Amino acid sequence: EDKVVQSPLSLVVHEGDTVTLNCSYEVTNFRSLLWYKQEKKAPTFLFMLTSSGIEKKSGRLSSILDKKELFSILNITATQTGDSAIYLCAVRGKDGGSNYKLTFGKGTLLTVNP
Amino acid sequence: GAVVSQHPSRVICKSGTSVKIECRSLDFQATTMFWYRQFPKKSLMLMATSNEGSKATYEQGVEKDKFLINHASLTLSTLTVTSAHPEDSSFYICSARGARETQYFGPGTRLLVL
Repeated sequence: EDKVVQSPLSLVVHEGDTVTLNCSYEVTNFRSLLWYKQEKKAPTFLFMLTSSGIEKKSGRLSSILDKKELFSILNITATQTGDSAIYLCAVRGKDGGSNYKLTFGKGTLLTVNP
Repeated sequence: GAVVSQHPSRVICKSGTSVKIECRSLDFQATTMFWYRQFPKKSLMLMATSNEGSKATYEQGVEKDKFLINHASLTLSTLTVTSAHPEDSSFYICSARGARETQYFGPGTRLLVL
C-alpha cells in the first residue's frame, strides 16, 4: 500500500522565520510528488516534482525531491502570517490497473504568529 | 493556473434524500477526474477515479451504489450521494487532471445531512 508521511504534524513559528517541511514516501511506480497549500477550502497547487535534485522555486517557497532517499522538503523563507495553512504532500503512483492516483500525507499545520 | 469549479459549495439535506455535486474544469479538458472526501483535521481520502466516457474506479471500502459518479464530458463530472445519511456529512472535493500530470482541485462542497 502506498504511504506518504509528513513531519512535523504541526509547527508554530514567528514571522520572519524560515521553516522546512518534510515528506517521505513509499509508492509503487512513482511518477511525481506534489505539494499543496490548504487554507479554509480545497488545496491549492504549489509544486510538482518529478526529477531528483532539481529545486522548484516560487517566491519565498522552494521544494526539492530526492528520489533515492524517497524524500522531499518544502522550504518557506521569511514566513508571513498569510503562510499559515495546512501543507499537503501527495505522491502519484500507478495502481494495479492503468490508473495513476495521488496518495496524500496527513499534512503539516503551519501557524505563523506576528 | 487551471480552474476547477464545484457546485454547490454547501448543501444541507434531510436524511434519505440524494444530493448531486458537480465538478467542472473551466479552462482545460480533464481526461481524468478524482473525487475525495475529507473529514475534519484529516487528510484527503480518494473515493474514486473517473475517466471520461468510462465507468469510475472506486477505492476499496467506497460503495459504488451509494456514491454514483458520472463523467459524461471532458469538462464535467458529477458525484451523487444517494439516500444520504448523517454519517455522509463531510467535505467533498473534486480534482481534475488535464494533459499534464498536475492535478487541480475544486473549492469543495460541504455536505451536512440532518
